Amino acid sequence: GQNIDQPTEMTATEGAIVQINCTYQTSGFNGLFWYQQHAGEAPTFLSYNVLDGLEEKGRFSSFLSRSKGYSYLLLKELQMKDSASYLCAVRDQTSGTYKYIFGTGTRLKVLA
Amino acid sequence: SAVISQKPSRDICQRGTSLTIQCQVDSQVTMMFWYRQQPGQSLTLIATANQGSEATYESGFVIDKFPISRPNLTFSTLTVSNMSPEDSSIYLCSSTGFVTDTQYFGPGTRLTVL
Repeated sequence: GQNIDQPTEMTATEGAIVQINCTYQTSGFNGLFWYQQHAGEAPTFLSYNVLDGLEEKGRFSSFLSRSKGYSYLLLKELQMKDSASYLCAVRDQTSGTYKYIFGTGTRLKVLA
Repeated sequence: SAVISQKPSRDICQRGTSLTIQCQVDSQVTMMFWYRQQPGQSLTLIATANQGSEATYESGFVIDKFPISRPNLTFSTLTVSNMSPEDSSIYLCSSTGFVTDTQYFGPGTRLTVL
């Protein structure tokens, strides 16, 4: 089956670093995506990993280990505007087509 | 990235009626998807909209309840049929392009069924 797990909620302080973990089980792994979603808005793309290792984009980095079925999103120098839900999504490819399976999402609260 | 629009942005409907949601992308895309997001929840994939053929539905979703059209590479519709209050949710369309496989989302349609 397919299963994606994330912590439900996290709290961190402005200026700090926070790591949001995601573990997954899927039969046709073809990439892992991270999205940010502010309340009442659509998800916006943050980062994408298909190979093992770290991808860095400014204050955001994402790491993938395919052998462990594990990814994390690292947010540095936290700002109040980073308070949002962070969604981990796995692209699953079977039978020549693909689809995206989303985790439960992690609600991050950044405190002053 | 593709720019995706959805109409309507929100609606309040009566039980037993149907609503069709439109999704328009500003460039040709390969895949289009429809999701449902209930309050405080993550995204659940309803179906993949296939151009020129029947949509591919996920477990728990059927064509009679959620008929989908995709007549070309930039447009799709999702109909929520015979609505009940349990259908109250945000419905989102998304697409992936020819150049990048990154999935982008429309702004969503907030549906309330009374």
